[in-house]
Amino acid sequence: DVKVTQSSRYLVKRTGEKVFLECVQDMDHENMFWYRQDPGLGLRLIYFSYDVKMKEKGDIPEGYSVSREKKERFSLILESASTNQTSMYLCASRTGTGGGGYTFGSGTRLTVV
Amino acid sequence: AQKITQTQPGMFVQEKEAVTLDCTYDTSDQSYGLFWYKQPSSGEMIFLIYQGSYDEQNATEGRYSLNFQKARKSANLVISASQLGDSAMYFCAMRERSSGNTGKLIFGQGTTLQVKP
Repeated sequence: DVKVTQSSRYLVKRTGEKVFLECVQDMDHENMFWYRQDPGLGLRLIYFSYDVKMKEKGDIPEGYSVSREKKERFSLILESASTNQTSMYLCASRTGTGGGGYTFGSGTRLTVV
Repeated sequence: AQKITQTQPGMFVQEKEAVTLDCTYDTSDQSYGLFWYKQPSSGEMIFLIYQGSYDEQNATEGRYSLNFQKARKSANLVISASQLGDSAMYFCAMRERSSGNTGKLIFGQGTTLQVKP
């Protein structure tokens, strides 16, 4: 069964910490995405990547960066965590061709205190 | 401007009855795709159904059907014969052709559905 795995289900971090959220997919997908989900706002795109070392900003990239050194792994980095980054973070991947949808990870619920 | 709008934050339905979850969208692309996802309390996003903008028939997948009205730019999800396990949050999403091969999805705000026994 194809999978997108997010390394942590729950995380609690302190304000100002550097935080890494890891996402790994085993489907050889070209495209990977990071979203954050907040009540009443749905899912908003933070960053996406369409190839190794290639990335593009989504709708809300401020305060975040990403890294994609290998095709299967896409990391979201909070350079200096703040309380307004407390949220659910969802990783997804899809193939680069055709009309296929996303495969999502189970999400990481991050709390910044 | 909001590209995907779900106007129902919460809905209730009696078990075994049908329910419609509303979704309207805004795009200037001629070619686009519309998706519905289900998110149970466990958090994972489950793909339910897809409708392409050029599809002439409404999409159906088991108990799920998509009521696609292109002129009105609406893509409502209909769940027939609701079950307790249908209680979840539901998201409508769109992919525009102009997004290219990246295929990024734009999501609505979500609708929480509760099925009553």
